Amino acid sequence: ILNVEQSPQSLHVQEGDSTNFTCSFPSSNFYALHWYRWETAKSPEALFVMTLNGDEKKKGRISATLNTKEGYSYLYIKGSQPEDSATYLCAFLTTGGTSYGKLTFGQGTILTVHP
Amino acid sequence: NAGVMQNPRHLVRRRGQEARLRCSPVKGHSHVYWYRQLPEEGLKFMVYLQKENIIDESGMPKERFSAEFPKEGPSILRIQQVVRGDSAAYFCASSLTFPSGTATYEQYFGPGTRLTVT
Repeated sequence: ILNVEQSPQSLHVQEGDSTNFTCSFPSSNFYALHWYRWETAKSPEALFVMTLNGDEKKKGRISATLNTKEGYSYLYIKGSQPEDSATYLCAFLTTGGTSYGKLTFGQGTILTVHP
Repeated sequence: NAGVMQNPRHLVRRRGQEARLRCSPVKGHSHVYWYRQLPEEGLKFMVYLQKENIIDESGMPKERFSAEFPKEGPSILRIQQVVRGDSAAYFCASSLTFPSGTATYEQYFGPGTRLTVT
C-alpha cells in the first residue's frame, strides 16, 4: 500500500502571510507528483504535474518544488489571499507494481486565509 | 470548453436500491478514473477504465460495485443494493492518455455526485 502524507492537516494564516506545506511520498518507482487545489463545493483542479528531481514550478503566487530522491514536495504560497482558501492535495503516480497508472492521494492540507 | 460532466450531482437512494452515476469525460479523453470520498476522508481510487476496458479495479469493492466505459456514451459507476456506508461523494476524472513518456496525464475532475443512502 502506497503512503502519501501531507502536513500540516490544516493551516490558518492571515492575509499577506506566506505559507508552505509538505507532501511525502515513496521515493522508489517514482513517475510523477501532482498538486491539486480543491475549493469547497467544486472539483479538484490541477496546479502542477512534476516529474523531474529538482523540478520547480510556479503559477502566480504559488510554487512547488520536488525531491524524488528523498520523497517530498513542498508547495509555497506567497502573500496568501482569502481566495487561496482551499484544500491542497498532492497525488503520487508510480510506475511500480499494481499501482501503475493510478494516483494515490494524500489527505490534503486545508488552508484558511483570514482577511 | 466542456470539462468532465457528472450527473446527477446529488442522488438519494433508499437502502437496497441501485445507484447509477454517470461521467462524460473531456472530449478526446479516453481514460476515466473513479474516486470516492467518504465523510471525513480523502480521495480514494476506485477504478481506472479505458474505452471498453477496465484497466485497474483494485480500489473498488468486490461486491455490488461495477463500472463500465462503453465505446459510445458516458462511463457508468453502478452500485447495487446500496447501504448507508455507500454514502459519499463520487468523483470522476479523465485524462488524455495513459501515463507514458512526456505525454500530458494530469487528470481533469468532474464536480462529483453526492450519494446519500437513507
